[in-house]
Amino acid sequence: AQKVTQAQTEISVVEKEDVTLDCVYETRDTTYYLFWYKQPPSGELVFLIRRNSFDEQNEISGRYSWNFQKSTSSFNFTITASQVVDSAVYFCALSEAGRDDKIIFGKGTRLHILP
Amino acid sequence: AAGVIQSPRHLIKEKRETATLKCYPIPRHDTVYWYQQGPGQDPQFLISFYEKMQSDKGSIPDRFSAQQFSDYHSELNMSSLELGDSALYFCASGHSGSGSGELFFGEGSRLTVL
Repeated sequence: AQKVTQAQTEISVVEKEDVTLDCVYETRDTTYYLFWYKQPPSGELVFLIRRNSFDEQNEISGRYSWNFQKSTSSFNFTITASQVVDSAVYFCALSEAGRDDKIIFGKGTRLHILP
Repeated sequence: AAGVIQSPRHLIKEKRETATLKCYPIPRHDTVYWYQQGPGQDPQFLISFYEKMQSDKGSIPDRFSAQQFSDYHSELNMSSLELGDSALYFCASGHSGSGSGELFFGEGSRLTVL
Protein backbone atom coordinates (compact mmCIF):
# COMPACT_ATOMS: atom_id res chain seq x y z
CA ALA A 1 0.00 0.00 0.00
CA GLN A 2 1.15 3.52 -0.62
CA LYS A 3 2.13 5.73 2.30
CA VAL A 4 3.81 9.08 2.78
CA THR A 5 5.57 9.96 6.01
CA GLN A 6 6.54 13.45 7.05
CA ALA A 7 8.22 12.94 10.38
CA GLN A 8 8.53 16.64 11.17
CA THR A 9 5.20 17.89 12.46
CA GLU A 10 6.32 21.45 13.03
CA ILE A 11 9.53 23.39 12.36
CA SER A 12 10.50 26.92 13.33
CA VAL A 13 13.47 28.74 11.88
CA VAL A 14 14.63 32.32 11.82
CA GLU A 15 14.30 34.22 8.58
CA LYS A 16 17.20 33.75 6.12
CA GLU A 17 18.05 30.31 7.51
CA ASP A 18 17.89 27.27 5.27
CA VAL A 19 15.39 24.57 6.15
CA THR A 20 14.82 21.05 4.86
CA LEU A 21 11.48 19.26 5.04
CA ASP A 22 11.75 15.49 5.01
CA CYS A 23 9.50 13.09 3.13
CA VAL A 24 9.71 9.31 3.00
CA TYR A 25 7.32 7.26 0.91
CA GLU A 26 6.25 3.66 0.41
CA THR A 27 4.80 2.20 -2.74
CA ARG A 28 4.70 -1.19 -4.41
CA ASP A 29 4.66 0.33 -7.88
CA THR A 30 7.72 1.02 -10.00
CA THR A 31 6.05 3.96 -11.70
CA TYR A 32 4.75 6.71 -9.49
CA TYR A 33 4.70 10.45 -8.99
CA LEU A 34 5.80 12.49 -6.01
CA PHE A 35 4.52 15.97 -5.21
CA TRP A 36 4.98 18.84 -2.84
CA TYR A 37 2.14 21.22 -2.07
CA LYS A 38 2.14 24.37 0.02
CA GLN A 39 -0.92 25.33 2.05
CA PRO A 40 -0.78 28.92 3.33
CA PRO A 41 -3.12 30.13 6.09
CA SER A 42 -5.69 31.08 3.43
CA GLY A 43 -6.20 27.35 2.85
CA GLU A 44 -5.66 26.73 -0.83
CA LEU A 45 -3.30 23.98 -1.98
CA VAL A 46 -0.49 25.45 -4.03
CA PHE A 47 1.28 23.00 -6.32
CA LEU A 48 5.07 23.24 -6.05
CA ILE A 49 6.54 20.27 -7.90
CA ARG A 50 5.80 16.89 -9.45
CA ARG A 51 8.52 14.30 -9.90
CA ASN A 52 8.20 11.11 -11.88
CA SER A 53 9.80 8.00 -10.39
CA PHE A 54 12.13 7.57 -13.36
CA ASP A 55 13.60 11.02 -13.01
CA GLU A 56 16.01 11.19 -10.10
CA GLN A 57 17.52 14.49 -11.11
CA ASN A 58 17.43 17.01 -8.35
CA GLU A 59 15.58 20.20 -9.15
CA ILE A 60 16.10 23.79 -8.18
CA SER A 61 13.57 26.55 -8.60
CA GLY A 62 14.72 29.82 -7.14
CA ARG A 63 15.09 29.34 -3.38
CA TYR A 64 13.42 25.91 -3.55
CA SER A 65 15.23 22.66 -4.24
CA TRP A 66 14.21 19.02 -4.12
CA ASN A 67 16.34 15.94 -3.51
CA PHE A 68 14.81 12.70 -4.80
CA GLN A 69 16.58 9.49 -3.76
CA LYS A 70 14.91 6.24 -4.77
CA SER A 71 17.45 4.20 -2.80
CA THR A 72 16.11 5.64 0.44
CA SER A 73 12.55 6.35 -0.84
CA SER A 74 12.92 9.99 0.08
CA PHE A 75 11.90 13.22 -1.57
CA ASN A 76 13.16 16.06 0.59
CA PHE A 77 12.45 19.73 0.07
CA THR A 78 14.86 22.52 0.97
CA ILE A 79 14.10 26.22 1.21
CA THR A 80 17.20 28.37 1.05
CA ALA A 81 17.30 31.79 2.69
CA SER A 82 13.81 31.36 4.10
CA GLN A 83 11.36 34.25 4.19
CA VAL A 84 8.35 34.95 6.39
CA VAL A 85 6.08 34.35 3.38
CA ASP A 86 7.30 30.75 3.34
CA SER A 87 5.36 30.12 6.54
CA ALA A 88 2.76 27.50 5.68
CA VAL A 89 1.95 23.82 5.93
CA TYR A 90 3.82 21.76 3.37
CA PHE A 91 2.48 18.43 2.16
CA CYS A 92 4.42 15.73 0.43
CA ALA A 93 2.22 13.44 -1.68
CA LEU A 94 2.32 10.36 -3.87
CA SER A 95 0.28 8.89 -6.68
CA GLU A 96 0.74 5.55 -8.39
CA ALA A 97 0.78 5.90 -12.16
CA GLY A 98 -1.42 3.55 -14.12
CA ARG A 99 -4.12 3.68 -11.51
CA ASP A 100 -6.53 6.57 -11.29
CA ASP A 101 -3.97 9.24 -10.35
CA LYS A 102 -5.42 9.51 -6.85
CA ILE A 103 -3.01 11.49 -4.67
CA ILE A 104 -2.20 10.36 -1.14
CA PHE A 105 -0.88 13.06 1.18
CA GLY A 106 1.50 12.94 4.10
CA LYS A 107 0.42 14.51 7.38
CA GLY A 108 2.15 17.75 6.53
CA THR A 109 4.88 19.84 8.15
CA ARG A 110 3.92 23.21 9.60
CA LEU A 111 6.76 25.63 8.91
CA HIS A 112 7.12 28.85 10.91
CA ILE A 113 9.59 31.41 9.63
CA LEU A 114 10.33 33.86 12.43
CA PRO A 115 11.27 37.44 11.55
CA ALA B 1 -6.16 29.63 -17.92
CA ALA B 2 -9.32 28.18 -16.44
CA GLY B 3 -8.93 26.49 -13.07
CA VAL B 4 -11.10 24.17 -11.01
CA ILE B 5 -14.07 26.10 -9.66
CA GLN B 6 -15.70 25.16 -6.39
CA SER B 7 -18.85 26.60 -4.92
CA PRO B 8 -19.78 27.76 -2.45
CA ARG B 9 -16.48 28.84 -0.95
CA HIS B 10 -17.99 28.98 2.52
CA LEU B 11 -21.04 27.26 3.92
CA ILE B 12 -22.52 27.21 7.39
CA LYS B 13 -25.04 24.55 8.33
CA GLU B 14 -26.71 23.22 11.45
CA LYS B 15 -26.40 19.65 12.67
CA ARG B 16 -28.64 17.20 10.84
CA GLU B 17 -28.99 19.52 7.86
CA THR B 18 -27.95 18.72 4.29
CA ALA B 19 -25.24 20.41 2.25
CA THR B 20 -24.27 20.25 -1.40
CA LEU B 21 -20.89 21.26 -2.76
CA LYS B 22 -20.26 21.79 -6.44
CA CYS B 23 -17.14 21.38 -8.52
CA TYR B 24 -16.51 22.50 -12.08
CA PRO B 25 -13.37 20.81 -13.45
CA ILE B 26 -11.00 22.27 -15.95
CA PRO B 27 -12.46 21.93 -19.48
CA ARG B 28 -11.56 18.64 -21.17
CA HIS B 29 -10.54 17.03 -17.88
CA ASP B 30 -12.25 13.67 -17.52
CA THR B 31 -11.51 12.84 -13.88
CA VAL B 32 -12.74 14.47 -10.69
CA TYR B 33 -11.61 13.82 -7.13
CA TRP B 34 -13.05 14.93 -3.80
CA TYR B 35 -10.94 15.36 -0.67
CA GLN B 36 -11.87 16.27 2.90
CA GLN B 37 -9.40 18.14 5.11
CA GLY B 38 -10.32 18.42 8.77
CA PRO B 39 -8.70 21.06 11.00
CA GLY B 40 -4.99 20.36 11.34
CA GLN B 41 -5.26 17.26 9.16
CA ASP B 42 -4.03 16.24 5.75
CA PRO B 43 -6.48 16.05 2.85
CA GLN B 44 -8.20 12.66 2.82
CA PHE B 45 -9.45 11.13 -0.40
CA LEU B 46 -13.22 10.65 -0.49
CA ILE B 47 -14.25 9.61 -3.98
CA SER B 48 -13.33 9.96 -7.63
CA PHE B 49 -15.01 9.85 -11.00
CA TYR B 50 -13.82 9.04 -14.49
CA GLU B 51 -16.04 9.89 -17.41
CA LYS B 52 -19.04 10.34 -15.12
CA MET B 53 -18.63 6.92 -13.50
CA GLN B 54 -17.37 6.40 -9.96
CA SER B 55 -13.81 5.12 -10.25
CA ASP B 56 -12.57 4.85 -6.67
CA LYS B 57 -13.84 5.31 -3.17
CA GLY B 58 -11.97 6.27 -0.04
CA SER B 59 -13.10 7.01 3.47
CA ILE B 60 -16.42 8.55 2.51
CA PRO B 61 -19.23 8.22 5.06
CA ASP B 62 -22.47 6.56 3.96
CA ARG B 63 -24.21 9.89 4.64
CA PHE B 64 -22.25 11.39 1.75
CA SER B 65 -22.89 10.77 -1.91
CA ALA B 66 -21.45 12.24 -5.05
CA GLN B 67 -21.99 12.17 -8.75
CA GLN B 68 -20.57 13.58 -11.92
CA PHE B 69 -22.98 15.01 -14.46
CA SER B 70 -23.04 15.01 -18.25
CA ASP B 71 -21.28 18.39 -18.35
CA TYR B 72 -18.55 16.88 -16.11
CA HIS B 73 -19.31 19.00 -13.10
CA SER B 74 -19.57 17.09 -9.87
CA GLU B 75 -21.59 17.50 -6.70
CA LEU B 76 -20.89 16.19 -3.22
CA ASN B 77 -24.05 15.76 -1.16
CA MET B 78 -23.77 15.49 2.59
CA SER B 79 -26.79 14.62 4.70
CA SER B 80 -27.44 14.40 8.45
CA LEU B 81 -24.50 16.68 9.01
CA GLU B 82 -22.41 16.18 12.13
CA LEU B 83 -20.03 18.54 13.88
CA GLY B 84 -17.14 16.38 12.65
CA ASP B 85 -18.05 17.13 9.04
CA SER B 86 -16.71 20.65 9.50
CA ALA B 87 -13.77 20.70 7.12
CA LEU B 88 -12.28 22.11 3.97
CA TYR B 89 -13.48 20.14 0.96
CA PHE B 90 -11.28 20.14 -2.09
CA CYS B 91 -12.16 19.11 -5.57
CA ALA B 92 -9.44 18.27 -8.09
CA SER B 93 -9.55 17.41 -11.75
CA GLY B 94 -7.19 15.69 -14.11
CA HIS B 95 -6.87 14.36 -17.62
CA SER B 96 -6.42 10.59 -17.57
CA GLY B 97 -4.87 10.52 -21.02
CA SER B 98 -2.06 12.92 -20.16
CA GLY B 99 -0.01 10.36 -18.26
CA SER B 100 1.32 13.23 -16.19
CA GLY B 101 -0.20 12.20 -12.88
CA GLU B 102 -1.04 15.80 -12.20
CA LEU B 103 -4.19 16.87 -10.45
CA PHE B 104 -5.38 20.45 -10.35
CA PHE B 105 -7.00 21.49 -7.10
CA GLY B 106 -9.74 24.03 -6.57
CA GLU B 107 -9.53 26.58 -3.78
CA GLY B 108 -11.76 24.50 -1.55
CA SER B 109 -15.17 24.86 0.08
CA ARG B 110 -15.13 25.45 3.81
CA LEU B 111 -18.05 23.79 5.57
CA THR B 112 -18.84 24.72 9.14
CA VAL B 113 -21.42 22.65 10.99
CA LEU B 114 -22.85 24.29 14.12
